[in-house]
Amino acid sequence: DTGVSQDPRHKITKRGQNVTFRCDPISEHNRLYWYRQTLGQGPEFLTYFQNEAQLEKSRLLSDRFSAERPKGSFSTLEIQRTEQGDSAMYLCASSPATAAYTGELFFGEGSRLTVL
Amino acid sequence: AQSVTQPDIHITVSEGASLELRCNYSYGATPYLFWYVQSPGQGLQLLLKYFSGDTLVQGIKGFEAEFKRSQSSFNLRKPSVHWSDAAEYFCAVVGGGNKLTFGTGTQLKVEL
Repeated sequence: DTGVSQDPRHKITKRGQNVTFRCDPISEHNRLYWYRQTLGQGPEFLTYFQNEAQLEKSRLLSDRFSAERPKGSFSTLEIQRTEQGDSAMYLCASSPATAAYTGELFFGEGSRLTVL
Repeated sequence: AQSVTQPDIHITVSEGASLELRCNYSYGATPYLFWYVQSPGQGLQLLLKYFSGDTLVQGIKGFEAEFKRSQSSFNLRKPSVHWSDAAEYFCAVVGGGNKLTFGTGTQLKVEL
């Protein structure tokens, strides 16, 4: 396994359309995170999963956003009725969740969304 | 809630010169601190991390950082910058659930 992969890398859509991003984490990692990064800002936490359970969601994640990790492996992030303010880079990261582990996240290259 | 501040948005240095990128954190307990680098078209890559112990930590690519509790700082340093170091650098602190809170980043430009 070479790392976290995200698909698609770029997505251009019209306002009001739905989009879905996929993330495949490092296979032995049971934690998966979604972040959003806008121009000139650092990544902002959206949500994270431990196995298939979604343990936390940020207030940034409006009702139009939904994330799933149905089998505890890959995850999808769907944005419904996109708005221009949703234009951003969506980053996925994974990490192990061993007992005393608090450490680095392994990031994918991101999915860039442009809403026209 | 935890937070980090990177006061320098852009920094330009000449190749071969030394580098220091500033990071100040706010956290109630002993922080776990990180520096990540983001190059164009690439994912965020961990440079180094501080959990406890020695306050001077070494990372990849010749980078080091010093944790100073009295100043709430975790500045990144490199003695001699290479042109390939041009990138955006993010300081981060970890909170509950292994969530990282990032600073706004410092864009490094290297002049040849």
